[in-house]
Amino acid sequence: AQSVTQLGSHVSVSEGALVLLRCNYSSSVPPYLFWYVQYPNQGLQLLLKYTTGATLVKGINGFEAEFKKSETSFHLTKPSAHMSDAAEYFCAVTTGGGKLIFGQGTELSVKP
Amino acid sequence: DTEVTQTPKHLVMGMTNKKSLKCEQHMGHRAMYWYKQKAKKPPELMFVYSYEKLSINESVPSRFSPECPNSSLLNLHLHALQPEDSALYLCASSGPASQETQYFGPGTRLLVL
Repeated sequence: AQSVTQLGSHVSVSEGALVLLRCNYSSSVPPYLFWYVQYPNQGLQLLLKYTTGATLVKGINGFEAEFKKSETSFHLTKPSAHMSDAAEYFCAVTTGGGKLIFGQGTELSVKP
Repeated sequence: DTEVTQTPKHLVMGMTNKKSLKCEQHMGHRAMYWYKQKAKKPPELMFVYSYEKLSINESVPSRFSPECPNSSLLNLHLHALQPEDSALYLCASSGPASQETQYFGPGTRLLVL
């Protein structure tokens, strides 16, 4: 069975600082991995995804994530935080069957 | 275009009412999903339709009744809901392969009084 663990339910950074949101997964087969962002009172927006191939994945809004099989991790980073990045971030995994398994989410706050 | 639309945006209903949520996509996706999301929690899968047939029902109470009239539309019929059913209901769609990316709509915020 697959599972996703997001370390830290709340992360706070200063504007301009590095953003690092951690995600570890458990899967017995090669996973497809996703990061979604959810702004208040909105749906989920896809930030980026890893399927196969290059392990460093670039997404929208300057975010990127690196798939590390040996560490079963898919951490999300952004070099310089912006106030508009404040939102809830979900890491998710699927290995098929139409089911997307979400982590518990990390709320990102950005201080001016 | 990766847009999934949902109507209404907000819905308030009493426990004896019958209402419906609507979801539409024009991306040619053949899989559509309903999720329920409580505040500060991840979305919980409710139903999956694949090629207009119900393929997954995550043991959802019968007061929620999904319907897929065609490949672009997905409805969720609500009847005799409980206050604990108040939540954000999200629709998503994806391409035919089971690992295809799911694209989400903006959601319907439901309040049951």
